[in-house]
Amino acid sequence: GAVVSQHPSWVICKSGTSVKIECRSLDFQATTMFWYRQFPKQSLMLMATSNEGSKATYEQGVEKDKFLINHASLTLSTLTVTSAHPEDSSFYICSAWTGSYEQFFGPGTRLTVL
Amino acid sequence: GQNIDQPTEMTATEGAIVQINCTYQTSGFNGLFWYQQHAGEAPTFLSYNVLDGLEEKGRFSSFLSRSKGYSYLLLKELQMKDSASYLCAVMDSNYQLIWGAGTKLIIKP
Repeated sequence: GAVVSQHPSWVICKSGTSVKIECRSLDFQATTMFWYRQFPKQSLMLMATSNEGSKATYEQGVEKDKFLINHASLTLSTLTVTSAHPEDSSFYICSAWTGSYEQFFGPGTRLTVL
Repeated sequence: GQNIDQPTEMTATEGAIVQINCTYQTSGFNGLFWYQQHAGEAPTFLSYNVLDGLEEKGRFSSFLSRSKGYSYLLLKELQMKDSASYLCAVMDSNYQLIWGAGTKLIIKP
């Protein structure tokens, strides 16, 4: 099956620093990549939809200047959490979509901001 | 607005059968998904229904009634490793997934 990787798997950083998370589709090209955030005991919350070569579409309430998304190729999207604060600590998950029915999820990145 | 409802938590016994229900109201419909998510891990795909009826895949089956806005996931011969959260998600007319809050399934020996 299709494989999506995320790097890093987990990261701990100090408040005020920026963190970059990479999402790669390893054996297929993804038309669209989605970025989700999941807080403990809650469901996935879509943050933004990213299409290769165009600006990401952010969901209501998600600050585009804080969560920078770059989708430079059909196999790579990055999410940068700028000036991270403790309330940004969460589980960040990307998924890749080829245009068929299924989204393929990465393993997730656990971010802890001290 | 768009809404997905599923029970918060269910408990079942090893070897038994459990049915997890999901009701939805969305802007358009391009299919309903069930995902399994173990704690600290990303969701893994279980099933996809776009037409009414039952889809069977091993110990897991998923049913859909579009007219009722209703689906269920049926798990047979429960095993301890089935303890997880089960997420119901509907793909709307914009091909975005609308997620339910998930049902935490607890399996007891």
